Amino acid sequence: NAGVMQNPRHLVRRRGQEARLRCSPMKGHSHVYWYRQLPEEGLKFMVYLQKENIIDESGMPKERFSAEFPKEGPSILRIQQVVRGDSAAYFCASSETGGSNSPLHFGNGTRLTVT
Amino acid sequence: QKEVEQNSGPLSVPEGAIASLNCTYSDRGSQSFFWYRQYSGKSPELIMFIYSNGDKEDGRFTAQLNKASQYVSLLIRDSQPSDSATYLCAVTSNNNDMRFGAGTRLTVKP
Repeated sequence: NAGVMQNPRHLVRRRGQEARLRCSPMKGHSHVYWYRQLPEEGLKFMVYLQKENIIDESGMPKERFSAEFPKEGPSILRIQQVVRGDSAAYFCASSETGGSNSPLHFGNGTRLTVT
Repeated sequence: QKEVEQNSGPLSVPEGAIASLNCTYSDRGSQSFFWYRQYSGKSPELIMFIYSNGDKEDGRFTAQLNKASQYVSLLIRDSQPSDSATYLCAVTSNNNDMRFGAGTRLTVKP
């Protein structure tokens, strides 16, 4: 499967635990974006990364959330000390060039449930 | 003011009719415009993109862009029940971030 791969598909965490969401972009894509979607709502931009660089994190909450895209391996979205309000679908998308004309290709998402 | 605004709907059309979905954006520097379709519980999938003023047609879909009015629309001709989904308008600017509207839910009734 050459598409954007996200895992896990479903993640259940208790309040206070850590959540780690993984995303492998499409082959040949070096630009990764993370979005959060609450039920019946649109996609909220969180962060835009290239290999080893955070390009724009203006959508990331100031605390508990972090993202990385290392030279080797998938991009990771990390949520520390999760709270119930973090429950949402988290989508990763990748693009080939990162330019404004470059469409995003989405993974199937990770559904995070905080109990 | 939201960066990208869409009528949340729901929009209901009979099978075979034309569905018209509208989107406005606030950043005059926006350069590229995309329409995504999202079925319930699924990920967004790209339908069309448009960069220049005017119309762009692809099968039953036509995207229309008017940069002066900061308006982009999607027309779906001969609507089918399988077109029932949420349609997301997305806009990119110079910073290359893609921002999405809240989506319009479309229902096509047989």
